[in-house]
Amino acid sequence: KAGVTQTPRYLIKTRGQQVTLSCSPISGHRSVSWYQQTPGQGLQFLFEYFSETQRNKGNFPGRFSGRQFSNSRSEMNVSTLELGDSALYLCASSTRTGLDEQYFGPGTRLTVT
Amino acid sequence: DQQVKQNSPSLSVQEGRISILNCDYTNSMFDYFLWYKKYPAEGPTFLISISSIKDKNEDGRFTVFLNKSAKHLSLHIVPSQPGDSAVYFCAASVGNNDMRFGAGTRLTVKP
Repeated sequence: KAGVTQTPRYLIKTRGQQVTLSCSPISGHRSVSWYQQTPGQGLQFLFEYFSETQRNKGNFPGRFSGRQFSNSRSEMNVSTLELGDSALYLCASSTRTGLDEQYFGPGTRLTVT
Repeated sequence: DQQVKQNSPSLSVQEGRISILNCDYTNSMFDYFLWYKKYPAEGPTFLISISSIKDKNEDGRFTVFLNKSAKHLSLHIVPSQPGDSAVYFCAASVGNNDMRFGAGTRLTVKP
């Protein structure tokens, strides 16, 4: 089975712009979660989607949003980018909702200048 | 706030010896705990989990211990191998919702 794929792998944006990241889960997985990893804060949960519905949400501002399509692929959008949004964004998939035993993708490295 | 803390940013052990990675948490509502391993340029890989109804879970060379009264869990790797060198994250959740991660501990296993 192919693993979780994320595109693009690297991205450079300027402050104020918006960005969309994409995640394709493992075939058959209906849950997709997004995480932000920064050196200072470690891994932080953003949100989880299951069957096109947001099931869980972490403590991030409304500039961070996401959606899931009927084929379980998910996108994450960050609007009005700030320097502090520079991070590795990880996507993880699972067969069921809830956040255990997820399979992570390689991440998208976002740099905001 | 950091509800899950890994106070040791790094740990170095000799091949064949035991590696003990520690994790403390503050939220007594956490009822599910996991350990992930992360190699550079890769996403984290699930290692082992434990629910709050247990105090130990073992999977091959990996054992996780949970001490609820101390709000502490640890991951033991025996014997340690050079391929175990990675960053290890512990994570905790309440009913599988809103998982919180520690900052990670970089383990180096020397041959």
